[in-house]
Amino acid sequence: QSVLTQPPSVSGAPGQRVTISCTGSSSNIGAGYDVHWYQQLPGTAPKLLIYGNSNRPSGVPDRFSGSKSGTSASLAITGLQTEDEADYYCQSYDSSLSDSVFGGGTRLTVL
Amino acid sequence: QVQLVQSGADVKKPGASVKVSCKASGYTFKDYGISWVRQAPGQGLEWMGWINVYNANTNYAQKLQGRVTLTTDTSTSTAYMELRRLRSDDTAVYYCARFHSRGYSPAHWFDPWGQGTLVTVSS
Repeated sequence: QSVLTQPPSVSGAPGQRVTISCTGSSSNIGAGYDVHWYQQLPGTAPKLLIYGNSNRPSGVPDRFSGSKSGTSASLAITGLQTEDEADYYCQSYDSSLSDSVFGGGTRLTVL
Repeated sequence: QVQLVQSGADVKKPGASVKVSCKASGYTFKDYGISWVRQAPGQGLEWMGWINVYNANTNYAQKLQGRVTLTTDTSTSTAYMELRRLRSDDTAVYYCARFHSRGYSPAHWFDPWGQGTLVTVSS
């Protein structure tokens, strides 16, 4: 059971918009700790997608955006493309565990 | 470009130890810390710990305390992760990643990642 909760799967058609939620608690996201997002394509290492809740590293398309409110965060992907099919993970810090923590991951399927 | 290159796959018996290396290039090694994350087959990501390369301070996941040790060799810009008393549920791909932080916040983010090292624990 992950400390951060994500839906196991989401799907959308090419060109559509999808969002992936990441729900935490008062000891992690709700405590004000930043949320980061990673994309993991099949058979590859994770890649940083969003850091500090809403910042995109250079090279990440602006189709990807992040937001945070209260004890939750969201990743939005607009203009879905087939190459966006991947697993997406949120990550933060939990003060009760004194550990970095990941969500369980969400598999995005582009129909 | 910034790159982390890890050692190759390994097979170990239960109870043994494994040491995975992670060689950094493209940046000043002492300027950033290294975190380790693992992923069991078909499962999600699990943070293992981090090491501050500058002063060798470490912080380990509670679950792995006492079994994992992170070290670095600054002369070769290489980080190491040693896991002892291996069990079958330690079978996973192990990743190193350079970590970043906003000021002194513990909410690190990881970029880039190494390519991963598969460690199989089997009798």
